Amino acid sequence: AQSVAQPEDQVNVAEGNPLTVKCTYSVSGNPYLFWYVQYPNRGLQFLLKYITGDNLVKGSYGFEAEFNKSQTSFHLKKPSALVSDSALYFCAVTGGTYKYIFGTGTRLKVLA
Amino acid sequence: NAGVTQTPKFRVLKTGQSMTLLCAQDMNHEYMYWYRQDPGMGLRLIHYSVGEGTTAKGEVPDGYNVSRLKKQNFLLGLESAAPSQTSVYFCASRNYPYNEQFFGPGTRLTVL
Repeated sequence: AQSVAQPEDQVNVAEGNPLTVKCTYSVSGNPYLFWYVQYPNRGLQFLLKYITGDNLVKGSYGFEAEFNKSQTSFHLKKPSALVSDSALYFCAVTGGTYKYIFGTGTRLKVLA
Repeated sequence: NAGVTQTPKFRVLKTGQSMTLLCAQDMNHEYMYWYRQDPGMGLRLIHYSVGEGTTAKGEVPDGYNVSRLKKQNFLLGLESAAPSQTSVYFCASRNYPYNEQFFGPGTRLTVL
């Protein structure tokens, strides 16, 4: 069965500091991994994905994520956080079926 | 190119009333999804469709029905609304293979 875990409900970081939002997954076969961001009263927006290839994936707004097969992780990172990055972040996985499984979300709060 | 749109944006129902949520996409995507988002539970899949005329059950299908008569539209129906169906509903679509989903802006439904 597919599953995604986002162990932190909330992450607080000071503006200008690096940020990490954690995600671990379980899937049969090759994983296809995604990060989405949700701003208040909005739908989810795609940030980046890992399908195959380089373990470090770069996405929108300066975000990147590192795929680690041995640790079954796909952590979202940004070298320097902005107050405008404050939002709800979702990790998702599919094992190649039609269904995606979403994590429960991590609220990122960037403090000025 | 409007992407994914949802109608209505807000709705208040009384227990036992019925309604239909409309999702439309103009990207010629084959796959469409209905999710509900509840605090602390992330996104849960209600129903999905892999093409015109097809539908399938997701994680939480009870109390909902769907139809995909046209490729661009995916309708979610509540025949007899219950307070447990108070939620924010998101529609999404995507192309094959393993591509990201595009989300609509959501419908906030309250059942009294």
